[in-house]
Amino acid sequence: GQNIDQPTEMTATEGAIVQINCTYQTSGFNGLFWYQQHAGEAPTFLSYNVLDGLEEKGRFSSFLSRSKGYSYLLLKELQMKDSASYLCAVLDSNYQLIWGAGTKLIIKP
Amino acid sequence: DADVTQTPRNRITKTGKRIMLECSQTKGHDRMYWYRQDPGLGLRLIYYSFDVKDINKGEISDGYSVSRQAQAKFSLSLESAIPNQTALYFCATSDGVRDTGELFFGEGSRLTVL
Repeated sequence: GQNIDQPTEMTATEGAIVQINCTYQTSGFNGLFWYQQHAGEAPTFLSYNVLDGLEEKGRFSSFLSRSKGYSYLLLKELQMKDSASYLCAVLDSNYQLIWGAGTKLIIKP
Repeated sequence: DADVTQTPRNRITKTGKRIMLECSQTKGHDRMYWYRQDPGLGLRLIYYSFDVKDINKGEISDGYSVSRQAQAKFSLSLESAIPNQTALYFCATSDGVRDTGELFFGEGSRLTVL
């Protein structure tokens, strides 16, 4: 079966750095996405990786290793507004998105 | 105004009732999707449509049906609602996941079936 694993919950301090990991086992791979979802709101797109390596976008970076079936989302200079759930999703060989359950990130002052 | 609009935003209904959730978009996208989200689970695809004449079942289509009335409108129906259909439902659009990789979500419809 297809599976995406990410931690259920993480806690970090305002101003610090946090890394949210995602491992996947899917039938084929056509890209990996990270979305942010604030409580009670819609998910919003953060990043897309299809090649190995690091993609940086402001305070957020996303890394992919296809050989290891692994990605992480790195958030720097954490702000209180970064408290949200972070969803990892993989596009499989049929171009269907397989979603992880999400990581709830709690930021403490 | 939101680019992807869902109605109703909240609905409480009883077992056996017919429910329709509506989605409209102003993004001009061809592709539309219905997902449900449950606590502790990832988003699960119910149905998707790549154009007006194209309807496809997703991972969990049993108990649901859809209608693509126009490029901009995609409705989800529960013919006879049951309690385990209590969930948060999202409509989403894309310009072709292969190309942009980005889904645009509506604000969600919270459905409670008693």
